[in-house]
Amino acid sequence: AQSVTQPDIHITVSEGASLELRCNYSYGATPYLFWYVQSPGQGLQLLLKYFSGDTLVQGIKGFEAEFKRSQSSFNLRKPSVHWSDAAEYFCAARGDSSYKLIFGSGTRLLVRP
Amino acid sequence: EADIYQTPRYLVIGTGKKITLECSQTMGHDKMYWYQQDPGMELHLIHYSYGVNSTEKGDLSSESTVSRIRTEHFPLTLESARPSHTSQYLCASSLTGLNTGELFFGEGSRLTVL
Repeated sequence: AQSVTQPDIHITVSEGASLELRCNYSYGATPYLFWYVQSPGQGLQLLLKYFSGDTLVQGIKGFEAEFKRSQSSFNLRKPSVHWSDAAEYFCAARGDSSYKLIFGSGTRLLVRP
Repeated sequence: EADIYQTPRYLVIGTGKKITLECSQTMGHDKMYWYQQDPGMELHLIHYSYGVNSTEKGDLSSESTVSRIRTEHFPLTLESARPSHTSQYLCASSLTGLNTGELFFGEGSRLTVL
């Protein structure tokens, strides 16, 4: 069955430190991959997406993600976290013939001052 | 900024009441979706629509119903609310074209059924 796994429920980092959020997918073929962010009381905002081509994808707010086919992973990274990055982060995927997104369970990021 | 709006943002009602969650988008997107989100859980697709008069049930079974009479409007209705319906409901829309795929989300409607 198709699935998206985010193994970390919570992550706490200090402001200014680097960040990596993990995402693994299980699909028959390489899916289209997305990272969304949800601030408290808000909807989801797209950070970045991967369809094909360069496996390192740049997004908004200084985020990037790297697609690794051999590991079925699409980890999100940021070199220096800001307090405003505290939020819930969702990885999502869909097949190339479907419009429906499958979401992971999310990772809550806490930022220490 | 995405132009997709949900009302009400928060709703507390008693068991057995009928409720409608409104969702409207001004982007002309033909595809619209309803996701249910519980705390600490992933989003589950409960309904989607590919266009006017086209609605399908999603992967998570839901007692709610939807309609799509106009492109911009995709309301969700619960005929008789129960405490098990307490959740956050997120509406989204997207453009046609498989190589886009970006969903634009509303801010959500948080429903509490007492």
